[in-house]
Amino acid sequence: DTGVSQDPRHKITKRGQNVTFRCDPISEHNRLYWYRQTLGQGPEFLTYFQNEAQLEKSRLLSDRFSAERPKGSFSTLEIQRTEQGDSAMYLCASRSGAASGSYEQYFGPGTRLTVT
Amino acid sequence: DQQVKQNSPSLSVQEGRISILNCDYTNSMFDYFLWYKKYPAEGPTFLISISSIKDKNEDGRFTVFLNKSAKHLSLHIVPSQPGDSAVYFCAASVDNYGQNFVFGPGTRLSVLP
Repeated sequence: DTGVSQDPRHKITKRGQNVTFRCDPISEHNRLYWYRQTLGQGPEFLTYFQNEAQLEKSRLLSDRFSAERPKGSFSTLEIQRTEQGDSAMYLCASRSGAASGSYEQYFGPGTRLTVT
Repeated sequence: DQQVKQNSPSLSVQEGRISILNCDYTNSMFDYFLWYKKYPAEGPTFLISISSIKDKNEDGRFTVFLNKSAKHLSLHIVPSQPGDSAVYFCAASVDNYGQNFVFGPGTRLSVLP
């Protein structure tokens, strides 16, 4: 399977706990994106990496959220001191940096977070 | 302030007929648009894209039309098939590199056999 993978697929945690999600992009893709999706809404952009550099962060990404891509391959998204409002689907996407003229992002299956 | 709008939360179409999904945007700087399809328990899957230099792009049964003056785009599916039943998202980007896409809320399409 050469698609984008995410782990875990589901996470239930108690309010105040920390959680970490992992994303493995398509191997030749140097750009990686994190999105959050809540019920009835489209994905909302959180942050973006080109290789290991985090180039853009949304104002949605509060201080409790941190993302890393240490070696320019997989990425982690950590949420500290989770709140019930953090309950959502967290989606990872990747795309090639080649100047192919197409800019579509390829999404993983997502990690569904439930904060109780 | 929703920059990308899909005003129809749901749409039902008979198998074999045309499905037309609409998308409106407010940011005149958007110049690249995509449509994604999403099945339950899966991530969105890319369908088709269009840049602002075109007004139409076609790929098999899927055609996207862009009207920049009206800030409107639409996705046509002809003929519709039951397997097309999914949530469809319109997305737009403000730059030529598609760094940051803004997604609409989605339209749930049901194709009835």
